[in-house]
Amino acid sequence: GAVVSQHPSRVICKSGTSVKIECRSLDFQATTMFWYRQFPKQSLMLMATSNEGSKATYEQGVEKDKFLINHASLTLSTLTVTSAHPEDSSFYICSARDSNSYEQYFGPGTRLTVT
Amino acid sequence: SQQGEEDPQALSIQEGENATMNCSYKTSINNLQWYRQNSGRGLVHLILIRSNEREKHSGRLRVTLDTSKKSSSLLITASRAADTASYFCATVGKATGRRALTFGSGTRLQVQP
Repeated sequence: GAVVSQHPSRVICKSGTSVKIECRSLDFQATTMFWYRQFPKQSLMLMATSNEGSKATYEQGVEKDKFLINHASLTLSTLTVTSAHPEDSSFYICSARDSNSYEQYFGPGTRLTVT
Repeated sequence: SQQGEEDPQALSIQEGENATMNCSYKTSINNLQWYRQNSGRGLVHLILIRSNEREKHSGRLRVTLDTSKKSSSLLITASRAADTASYFCATVGKATGRRALTFGSGTRLQVQP
């Protein structure tokens, strides 16, 4: 089956620093990728839709200047959490939509802890 | 905003028993999917049921969909300790062309050995 990877799987950073998370589709092209956030014991909430070659679409309440998304190729989207604060600590999960089949595949997630 | 609500929020059963989880959603959908998530891990896709289907089976899983009530249920038969996880329903809306999945609130299932 199709594979989506995320890197890093875990990251701990100090408050005020920036962290970049990568989402890659390994064996298919993805014009569209999605970024979700999940707080402990809660469900996944969509943060933004990442479109290759164009600007991301952010959900209401998600600051686009804080969560920078770059989808520079058909297999890679990055999410940069800028000036991270402890309240940004969460599990970030991406999904990639196969450009041919339109099926969505999820990455394994990235656990971000901001100290 | 989160579309689906699931109940129960938490469910604890003994091995061998059946587990039933329910999901409700708000808008018209193309399909409804169920996912499983072990604690702190990624999502595992379990099953997809299309809006024109009423019931679907996959191994020990049985999913029903009632579009008139905007609800779905997931039944796990003969549960095992390894089924302990959180289970989420997720939908893709029909009207808006929204392609992202909208997740329900989830049910945390604990299967006691």
